Amino acid sequence: DQQVKQNSPSLSVQEGRISILNCDYTNSMFDYFLWYKKYPAEGPTFLISISSIKDKNEDGRFTVFLNKSAKHLSLHIVPSQPGDSAVYFCAANGGTSYGKLTFGQGTILTVHP
Amino acid sequence: EPEVTQTPSHQVTQMGQEVILRCVPISNHLYFYWYRQILGQKVEFLVSFYNNEISEKSEIFDDQFSVERPDGSNFTLKIRSTKLEDSAMYFCASLRRPRTGTDTQYFGPGTRLTVL
Repeated sequence: DQQVKQNSPSLSVQEGRISILNCDYTNSMFDYFLWYKKYPAEGPTFLISISSIKDKNEDGRFTVFLNKSAKHLSLHIVPSQPGDSAVYFCAANGGTSYGKLTFGQGTILTVHP
Repeated sequence: EPEVTQTPSHQVTQMGQEVILRCVPISNHLYFYWYRQILGQKVEFLVSFYNNEISEKSEIFDDQFSVERPDGSNFTLKIRSTKLEDSAMYFCASLRRPRTGTDTQYFGPGTRLTVL
């Protein structure tokens, strides 16, 4: 089941630069997308989300872009900080009434000072 | 800020034993979920629960698994007879109400289950 894919297992960025994390999906029924950040031995922490009726949502240093025709979304972090180093998961609402989330494999972001 | 809590943080059990993982969702949330993450793999949906019944479940959630909301605050996942492959992090999540434009599930810190 590869309905949500994060093709880059890892990303390394210099502090202060932009981090761009990508996510692709295949299920047309997905209509709500979320990014979660996860540290080892902790639960996923909600970061930012976007509904399919929008193409951009911004919250401070974090912006999510959604390209529905390409079934692609991306998370931009500007400027990147060492504390942003974590695993980032893209997740999509399953299109059902009960909120089931389908997750990507995650991308390990490392921000170097 | 309200948060989802889970106990225990780590559970070690022998194969074939029953385990119960406990969660206290955020108090005004109506929908509850269990997910799991096997080491090195993605987070996988197990089950959703609403109005005191299972609303959706995955193929993983077979007859060995059950969920319950026994007292209006706790939400439990029971594995009747654990197998080695049940070793994973188990995450509980809760949601106020889906498909309203604020479909954000909040996750607990997880319970690491180790089956020997």
